[in-house]
Amino acid sequence: DVKVTQSSRYLVKRTGEKVFLECVQDMDHENMFWYRQDPGLGLRLIYFSYDVKMKEKGDIPEGYSVSREKKERFSLILESASTSQTSMYLCASGKRWKAGNTIYFGEGSWLTVV
Amino acid sequence: QKEVEQDPGPLSVPEGAIVSLNCTYSNSAFQYFMWYRQYSRKGPELLMYTYSSGNKEDGRFTAQVDKSSKYISLFIRDSQPSDSATYLCAMSGYSGGGADGLTFGKGTHLIIQP
Repeated sequence: DVKVTQSSRYLVKRTGEKVFLECVQDMDHENMFWYRQDPGLGLRLIYFSYDVKMKEKGDIPEGYSVSREKKERFSLILESASTSQTSMYLCASGKRWKAGNTIYFGEGSWLTVV
Repeated sequence: QKEVEQDPGPLSVPEGAIVSLNCTYSNSAFQYFMWYRQYSRKGPELLMYTYSSGNKEDGRFTAQVDKSSKYISLFIRDSQPSDSATYLCAMSGYSGGGADGLTFGKGTHLIIQP
């Protein structure tokens, strides 16, 4: 079974703090993704990576950055957390893109910024 | 017009009922269709995967695609309280899809009443 592991399930951070969300996948997938999910807004893609050290902006990259130093690990960074970034963050991975691919999600990280 | 439309619900039905969940889409390039199930405070998990038109059955679940109407459905027979979750549709094609290749609906919240 594909396993995508997000290291932190629940976090509470203060406004202005730097926040790291870590994600590891064990299926040797080329692609990795970070989404946020908010009620009424569905899944929104923040960033994705199709290879080590490569990254592409998604739909809502503002206020976020990412790092992919190893194939299995993809980190989301909030340089200066704000209350508007309180949300559920989902990491996902998938094979190199071709039509018909699916992606596999982690359990999610609930971030509250106070 | 959004690319994928999905009624957010909540949809509340009694245990044992047949449930019908639906998505409509506008991009005729979509050929691969998926359903993800997401329990509260968990990540989405892939539930059903179909290609092109037709039906696919897996236990109590049936996925149906009508490309001529740009309409997909997920049927759940003999619904159980454990089926209570949010169901997200997702789709992709050779020329369609978002940056990650998949376009998601916002999800339908399903409640099965014991």
